[in-house]
Amino acid sequence: DTGVSQDPRHKITKRGQNVTFRCDPISEHNRLYWYRQTLGQGPEFLTYFQNEAQLEKSRLLSDRFSAERPKGSFSTLEIQRTEQGDSAMYLCASSPTGTGTFGYTFGSGTRLTVV
Amino acid sequence: DQQVKQNSPSLSVQEGRISILNCDYTNSMFDYFLWYKKYPAEGPTFLISISSIKDKNEDGRFTVFLNKSAKHLSLHIVPSQPGDSAVYFCAASAWVGNEKLTFGTGTRLTIIP
Repeated sequence: DTGVSQDPRHKITKRGQNVTFRCDPISEHNRLYWYRQTLGQGPEFLTYFQNEAQLEKSRLLSDRFSAERPKGSFSTLEIQRTEQGDSAMYLCASSPTGTGTFGYTFGSGTRLTVV
Repeated sequence: DQQVKQNSPSLSVQEGRISILNCDYTNSMFDYFLWYKKYPAEGPTFLISISSIKDKNEDGRFTVFLNKSAKHLSLHIVPSQPGDSAVYFCAASAWVGNEKLTFGTGTRLTIIP
């Protein structure tokens, strides 16, 4: 099974530190998405890529956040100068072109705790 | 501004009975609606969807009903099984091909054996 893989599964960091998460989508999927889920809330859209192009970014993605998908395969999400409010589950999903939201496959997420 | 609302944080249902999960939305631009199921420590899994041109979609034990005039949808699970115990999220998008989903806050369903 080559589902969506996210690494690490858990990350604890001190406030002010930088963190980077990785997402490996399903290999034939050229769309990749990042969502964030905080406690008691549903996932919130952050950004998405079509191949290597970042096509949409949410207002939630402040200047401290940056996402890349350099070769249209895996993606990284970096948070600089982490704050306690960044503590959340970061979810990655992928889909093939043409299926839109119905083709989403989510990974298991990276849980970030900022102390 | 919560555009997709699930007003019941939790629901307990006896095994074999019907589970009904509700969802309301405020954005009239939403045209496609989805239900996702989430187990602890896993990502959400797509369950069933419906477009605004329909009022019902069925897949095995799962049926989604859409009342567009009331901006309300519901997920029916019949019969409920212990493996259905999970958090269920309602989600919406403005049109198929729009890549962004707006999720509700979820309903934790517990099936009592």
